[in-house]
Amino acid sequence: QVQLVQSGAEVKKPGSSVKVSCKVSGDTFYRYAISWVRQAPGQGLEWMGGIIPMVGTADYAQKFQGRVTITADDSTTTAYMELSSLRSEDTAVFYCARHSGSYYDSLDYWGQGTLVTVSS
Amino acid sequence: QSVLTQPPSVSGAPGQRVTISCTGSSSNIGAGYGVHWYQQLPGTAPKLLIYVNNNRPSGVPDRFSGSRSGTSASLAITGLQAEDEADYYCLSYDSSLSGGVFGGGTKLTVL
Repeated sequence: QVQLVQSGAEVKKPGSSVKVSCKVSGDTFYRYAISWVRQAPGQGLEWMGGIIPMVGTADYAQKFQGRVTITADDSTTTAYMELSSLRSEDTAVFYCARHSGSYYDSLDYWGQGTLVTVSS
Repeated sequence: QSVLTQPPSVSGAPGQRVTISCTGSSSNIGAGYGVHWYQQLPGTAPKLLIYVNNNRPSGVPDRFSGSRSGTSASLAITGLQAEDEADYYCLSYDSSLSGGVFGGGTKLTVL
């Protein structure tokens, strides 16, 4: 059974960065795209970007371009999302999720979510 | 404002049928990219309900069905139950944005 387990909640100061990890187990890691999704309190889901570990390069939503870095480590089957220049509006739950193939395909497995609180 | 447009809310009585629409454009749904539907209960991660327009993962009741036509897609729920009360999201791919796009979400209330 595929499982995605994310790192724990974080509290950050405005202007700092946060790095969230997503450990994938139960299936071949490098073959499937992994996306990151943001959900602000009481708001909807927002695609931030993703990576296909086999390819290695990440793709980002225009809104987050320049502020987000997504990487993947094949040796530990872990994906990472780093968001910089944090502001209060970045307070949200961040999910990693695995596609059934590429970005066109459904997000069939999800992590439990990581709450990031940005506060001075 | 989301690239895919959903009604903010829908409601129905137990046993009734409701539909949730997801309207896109020629660069996403209209370009032939699959539409996927998710159910999110409060405080939990989204759960895949329908993939590639009208396919149900194993374990999802056949009360849930999806369809796509032109630049729009729909999720239908028949035999509404109290446990169906949740937020529902559509997801597709947009070739102009080169990435995934979600609908704004629809809150389903079971009266």
